[in-house]
Amino acid sequence: GAVVSQHPSWVICKSGTSVKIECRSLDFQATTMFWYRQFPKQSLMLMATSNEGSKATYEQGVEKDKFLINHASLTLSTLTVTSAHPEDSSFYICSARYIGGDYGYTFGSGTRLTVV
Amino acid sequence: RKEVEQDPGPFNVPEGATVAFNCTYSNSASQSFFWYRQDCRKEPKLLMSVYSSGNEDGRFTAQLNRASQYISLLIRDSKLSDSATYLCVVRSGNQGGKLIFGQGTELSVKP
Repeated sequence: GAVVSQHPSWVICKSGTSVKIECRSLDFQATTMFWYRQFPKQSLMLMATSNEGSKATYEQGVEKDKFLINHASLTLSTLTVTSAHPEDSSFYICSARYIGGDYGYTFGSGTRLTVV
Repeated sequence: RKEVEQDPGPFNVPEGATVAFNCTYSNSASQSFFWYRQDCRKEPKLLMSVYSSGNEDGRFTAQLNRASQYISLLIRDSKLSDSATYLCVVRSGNQGGKLIFGQGTELSVKP
C-alpha cells in the first residue's frame, strides 16, 4: 500500500521550454506532498511542501515562479519547471505523507530532467 | 552548518566486514530519525527507523543519542548487495513534518 506513481521517469527538453512532472497517490489520499531535487553526489534538497487545496510553501532560495506546484486534488500533485535551463538538470523526487503511523512517507520513483 | 551531517565517503570494505556510519543533527526539536538507503539513480527507500533505546533489524543496528544529537548505523557481515548510499534523515516536529536528508555516505562492498 501507499504507492506514489511519478511520471515521467526521465525527460530531455530544450532550454526555455517547460516540463511538468506528475505524482499520483494510487491507493491513499496524499494531503501533503514534498518535492525534492537531487544533484549528482548530493543529498535530496527539499524544494517545497504542498498541501491539497492551498498554496505550496517554498524553501528559502527556491523560485516560486520558476517551480510551479499544483496540488488540486488529494491524489495528484504536479511540479512544473518553467523556462528550463541547463542548470535545472537534476533528479526530482516527490514524497507523500500518509496516515498510517509516524513513519508514513512514500516516495515517487523520481524524474531525471536533462535540459539541453 | 547543515542540519544533518554525515561521515564523508566513500567507504570501501570487503564482504563480511563491519561498517559504521555516523550522523549528527543540529535541530534539537527533531522528533523522528531514520536511515534510508538509496541505490544509484533510484528513489530513497526506508532502511529503518531509529529509536532512543537503539534498535536492531538483522545485520543492521541503529543508535540514537539525543543529548549529543548523534545517530549511528552499524552494518555487520556486509554483503555485496549492501553497496549503496546511506542517508541519515531527520523529521522535525515544528517544520510541518518535512524530512531533512543528510548528504549520504556511499558504501561499496567488494568481493
